Amino acid sequence: DGGITQSPKYLFRKEGQNVTLSCEQNLNHDAMYWYRQDPGQGLRLIYYSQIVNDFQKGDIAEGYSVSREKKESFPLTVTSAQKNPTAFYLCASSIPDGDTQYFGPGTRLTVL
Amino acid sequence: AQSVTQPDIHITVSEGASLELRCNYSYGATPYLFWYVQSPGQGLQLLLKYFSGDTLVQGIKGFEAEFKRSQSSFNLRKPSVHWSDAAEYFCAVGALGNEKLTFGTGTRLTIIP
Repeated sequence: DGGITQSPKYLFRKEGQNVTLSCEQNLNHDAMYWYRQDPGQGLRLIYYSQIVNDFQKGDIAEGYSVSREKKESFPLTVTSAQKNPTAFYLCASSIPDGDTQYFGPGTRLTVL
Repeated sequence: AQSVTQPDIHITVSEGASLELRCNYSYGATPYLFWYVQSPGQGLQLLLKYFSGDTLVQGIKGFEAEFKRSQSSFNLRKPSVHWSDAAEYFCAVGALGNEKLTFGTGTRLTIIP
């Protein structure tokens, strides 16, 4: 079955540590996205990538980094510079040019 | 800049009653419009989308939405809700050539017996 997988589902981190969230898709989509979701704030775009080896900052990129070395994979690193990293993180993919985005199941990150 | 407003933060509906969730958008070009549903702790699932053509679009789970350009609205409707429809619903706007979607803040739907 085609789809998007995110791992782990739950992640705990101590303050000052970097942590990497995994996102893999087998939909053969060129575009991939990372969103952050906080209660009452909807989805906010962190980073997106339209093609391998290229990515752009979204609305709230500070304290995050990404890479896109393979079409199928778009990992997100939450760095120690992110002031309030506790949130639900969603990965999505799509055919480019505004078409439908398909979402993974999400990773809940908690900073202890 | 594009924006989406979902004016209702929380709606409570009796099982079997009809439902309408409101969505208003702001976008200079012809918009692409989407409704997604999210169960607690899960990802978003696409309910339906409008790109062009017939302004009344049908989606999964018995949902439909109507695009009204004059009102900049894309309201979601269902004639009879089921307890399993309890979830959070998000409206989103995009456009051809624009790789980003803008999401509303969501409407939480509660179903009472």
